[in-house]
Amino acid sequence: DTAVSQTPKYLVTQMGNDKSIKCEQNLGHDTMYWYKQDSKKFLKIMFSYNNKELIINETVPNRFSPKSPDKAHLNLHINSLELGDSAVYFCASSLRDRQAEAFFGQGTRLTVV
Amino acid sequence: AQKITQTQPGMFVQEKEAVTLDCTYDTSDPSYGLFWYKQPSSGEMIFLIYQGSYDQQNATEGRYSLNFQKARKSANLVISASQLGDSAMYFCAMRDPGAQKLVFGQGTRLTINP
Repeated sequence: DTAVSQTPKYLVTQMGNDKSIKCEQNLGHDTMYWYKQDSKKFLKIMFSYNNKELIINETVPNRFSPKSPDKAHLNLHINSLELGDSAVYFCASSLRDRQAEAFFGQGTRLTVV
Repeated sequence: AQKITQTQPGMFVQEKEAVTLDCTYDTSDPSYGLFWYKQPSSGEMIFLIYQGSYDQQNATEGRYSLNFQKARKSANLVISASQLGDSAMYFCAMRDPGAQKLVFGQGTRLTINP
């Protein structure tokens, strides 16, 4: 009965490769997000989708491309991975409401070598 | 632009003591929501408590309570009777006016000593 599920949990890959992280939520939420947590634990929004439409793209390089096939899924594809992409990536979902908390997936630790 | 500030990078507390984690925020929007999340060493983000800007009373959830002082723009998390399992990173967050994202503070690493 996992609420927000993202896979894989760990991803180790070489520079230049292309990789994807998948995210699914079964909470009936209409908004999904990708956050990046850097080595200092700071969490920053990358993308936000509402009803499959992109509503936030926070100056993320074009190598990052989110895709939302439906309201329950938001996948993150990363092209030409760089060392600086190493981080923990969190998927989250919520209702689009000021009072709505966001529920997070377990995170994907991406290591680029 | 909204901003969340957590001024305590780390805190050490004796087990069973109460602990207060500080959070101040800055926004020009009269309507906003404030949240606290816990991130244990296993890495997941766990929602703890929510406070709405128009709520008359401070939010409480079990051992967690939120000391909301609107005039001072502070939303401190209070954990009563701390336990070893409370050791974790704690993040204060605010939802932006368009409800499009959460803005997070820098986090506070809490360590509970036996």
